[in-house]
Amino acid sequence: NAGVTQTPKFRVLKTGQSMTLLCAQDMNHEYMYWYRQDPGMGLRLIHYSVGEGTTAKGEVPDGYNVSRLKKQNFLLGLESAAPSQTSVYFCASSYSRGSIGYTFGSGTRLTVV
Amino acid sequence: GQQLNQSPQSMFIQEGEDVSMNCTSSSIFNTWLWYKQDPGEGPVLLIALYKAGELTSNGRLTAQFGITRKDSFLNISASIPSDVGIYFCAGQLNGGSQGNLIFGKGTKLSVKP
Repeated sequence: NAGVTQTPKFRVLKTGQSMTLLCAQDMNHEYMYWYRQDPGMGLRLIHYSVGEGTTAKGEVPDGYNVSRLKKQNFLLGLESAAPSQTSVYFCASSYSRGSIGYTFGSGTRLTVV
Repeated sequence: GQQLNQSPQSMFIQEGEDVSMNCTSSSIFNTWLWYKQDPGEGPVLLIALYKAGELTSNGRLTAQFGITRKDSFLNISASIPSDVGIYFCAGQLNGGSQGNLIFGKGTKLSVKP
């Protein structure tokens, strides 16, 4: 099993461009999450989903949108990229909300110039 | 939002030394988790704790769920170069069975051979 797969692994965007990050999991997990990781800031939750067709805002949702049309996929969109969105983005999934722990993907390193 | 205070922020140690790090909060948690993030990868679950006072080992790693339920500790014995990485604590608030995990900001460990 692949676990959690994120694509792409690296991307450079110009300010104002849009893009979609894809997260796919093959563990039949209900819950999926998008985090961003910045130096000294730890992991900050952007958006999450508690099941197919649902999404909810996390700690830092501004400038991002998400969709969960299929249970196994969770998409993170940037409509108009800004340099402040330069970060490493991690997707995670879990069977339950927190007690068993999350399985993380290997990350997408995004640079906005 | 809720915060976990993780310390130290970084550690530089000699190979063979023991390492201690901890997470504290003003709130009560019912689950504590410890993750390790290797450079360029996503966090991987090391140890999960579910009861106050619980002590759990995973090889050279030992973690404890604090008696007050407001803290947790991770010890690494006889460190080796592959222990390098960022260690994150994460917790689920008491009564927060529908709540997401809360992550500390991480402890960056460097090991000199």
